[in-house]
Amino acid sequence: AQRVTQPEKLLSVFKGAPVELKCNYSYSGSPELFWYVQYSRQRLQLLLRHISRESIKGFTADLNKGETSFHLKKPFAQEEDSAMYYCALSGKYRRGADGLTFGKGTHLIIQP
Amino acid sequence: NAGVTQTPKFQVLKTGQSMTLQCAQDMNHNSMYWYRQDPGMGLRLIYYSASEGTTDKGEVPNGYNVSRLNKREFSLRLESAAPSQTSVYFCASIPGQGRYGYTFGSGTRLTVV
Repeated sequence: AQRVTQPEKLLSVFKGAPVELKCNYSYSGSPELFWYVQYSRQRLQLLLRHISRESIKGFTADLNKGETSFHLKKPFAQEEDSAMYYCALSGKYRRGADGLTFGKGTHLIIQP
Repeated sequence: NAGVTQTPKFQVLKTGQSMTLQCAQDMNHNSMYWYRQDPGMGLRLIYYSASEGTTDKGEVPNGYNVSRLNKREFSLRLESAAPSQTSVYFCASIPGQGRYGYTFGSGTRLTVV
């Protein structure tokens, strides 16, 4: 079974400090991994895909297959980064249906 | 560009009532999804539709039914609402089966009393 674990429900850091949101996954095949962000009461927005190896809003994430991790990092946090962050995996559900499996989310709070 | 549109945005139901949540996308996407979001649980897949005329169950399908009316529209129906179905419901779509970033709607906040 596929599973995504985000061990921190809440992460609070000061503005300008580095941020790392942890994500570990369990999947038997070769997964596609994503980070989504949800600002207060808004829709989820795609932040990063591991296959594109891009940096969005200063965030980066590297897939580590050995550690089965896809941690999200930013060297200097900004107040506008405060949001819910979800790590997600694309794989196969039962009966061959595609779908995203989400972690439970980490609420990031950036303190001034 | 509307993207994915969900209606209604808010709804309060009494236990046992029925309702249909509507979702429409204007991006010519093939695959559409319904998720529910609960505090501390993240998002969980309810139902999925790979293409017009096909639907499949996700992780938490009990108590729900879906209809892929055409390529644009994918509705979620609660036949007999229960308090456990109080949640925020998100519709999403992608161009096709595969590993793409999903486009999400703005959500429907449903309360069952």
